[in-house]
Amino acid sequence: DAGVIQSPRHEVTEMGQEVTLRCKPISGHNSLFWYRQTMMRGLELLIYFNNNVPIDDSGMPEDRFSAKMPNASFSTLKIQPSEPRDSAVYFCASTLRGGAYNEQFFGPGTRLTVL
Amino acid sequence: SQQGEEDPQALSIQEGENATMNCSYKTSINNLQWYRQNSGRGLVHLILIRSNEREKHSGRLRVTLDTSKKSSSLLITASRAADTASYFCATVLTSGTYKYIFGTGTRLKVLA
Repeated sequence: DAGVIQSPRHEVTEMGQEVTLRCKPISGHNSLFWYRQTMMRGLELLIYFNNNVPIDDSGMPEDRFSAKMPNASFSTLKIQPSEPRDSAVYFCASTLRGGAYNEQFFGPGTRLTVL
Repeated sequence: SQQGEEDPQALSIQEGENATMNCSYKTSINNLQWYRQNSGRGLVHLILIRSNEREKHSGRLRVTLDTSKKSSSLLITASRAADTASYFCATVLTSGTYKYIFGTGTRLKVLA
């Protein structure tokens, strides 16, 4: 298996532009997580899905952020409009099934820079 | 504030020495997991310990859990230069939504 795939790996954009990050979880995995990592705040859970349904989006910072999972093999995280403080590495992770006793498999991350 | 706080924030040791890092958390957990992150990469799962377990081993890794003190430790024995990475604990809460809350991480540097 190719593991969790994220695209793009790097994104540089200007403030006010729309940014879309993409994730393909491991085939057969039922849960998908979006995280943001910065030096100041560490690794923050933004949202997670179970069977394509958003279960907890309490970590989404504000209405500028939205996430979708239209099917089991694809998810997007959109920021509109983007701001410099959104600059971070965004990780997608998946687990085999919902529930507590699962290891998370992380993608390589998307490094976002908002100028 | 963070659910998990690792201690120390940074650790530098010589190859062959043991490395110990600690994690403290605030609320009741279902299980606790340790992950490693190499620079510029995603996190990789190392080991999981359930709330009713006290100690677990995996190769050169030894994890302990003390639920009364809400703390865990990760011991890496006979460290190697390849162990240089950041290490994070992740707590899975008992709230029912199975959120994974990651700590602040310990940056380990193993000198050859």
